[in-house]
Amino acid sequence: SQQGEEDPQALSIQEGENATMNCSYKTSINNLQWYRQNSGRGLVHLILIRSNEREKHSGRLRVTLDTSKKSSSLLITASRAADTASYFCATDAVGGYNKLIFGAGTRLAVHP
Amino acid sequence: EAEVAQSPRYKITEKSQAVAFWCDPISGHATLYWYRQILGQGPELLVQFQDESVVDDSQLPKDRFSAERLKGVDSTLKIQPAELGDSAMYLCASTSRGERGSGANVLTFGAGSRLTVL
Repeated sequence: SQQGEEDPQALSIQEGENATMNCSYKTSINNLQWYRQNSGRGLVHLILIRSNEREKHSGRLRVTLDTSKKSSSLLITASRAADTASYFCATDAVGGYNKLIFGAGTRLAVHP
Repeated sequence: EAEVAQSPRYKITEKSQAVAFWCDPISGHATLYWYRQILGQGPELLVQFQDESVVDDSQLPKDRFSAERLKGVDSTLKIQPAELGDSAMYLCASTSRGERGSGANVLTFGAGSRLTVL
């Protein structure tokens, strides 16, 4: 079962443009995380935002969280070709005992 | 930097055969996860261990899948017999809760084992 749903499923942009991906979830959470996956590889953690936080930054990444709407967004600014990958949100649900549930992901293609 | 080791990297097998995957988590990580990822989809949790105990295996197809972590360190995921629908990437991940802040379960993933069932 997957709690998160990402939108859009696929995104194609030019280098230098910003990329925004959205995630919606269903239950109360302790935190929400974003991971990146290059084709055929494992996932790599990017950023975590706690349920009592509204916005967080890390380098070119900006994450927002709206717990009233049960949604989050990931913004990658000034995209590079190397940002081409799939991006997944994952939720740590209240009472879930450290279980992380992933969404279906957004496939980002950044063209030179 | 410490890594989660998985093997084999690729496995091709015929349906009805047995297959096993191995995972060695980062040293000291008490929590270990096995996820299955079908091409084009997100990872689906199969089983979660806390030390040697199973915490959650609600999505593990127990008629054909088994997982163990006997000494609370490395883990094996087995499929017997394999079916065509089992073709997927099997991902292992581990975490030490609190490593990156209190209560934060940030996962470190291995490179995965790609299974193809013919």
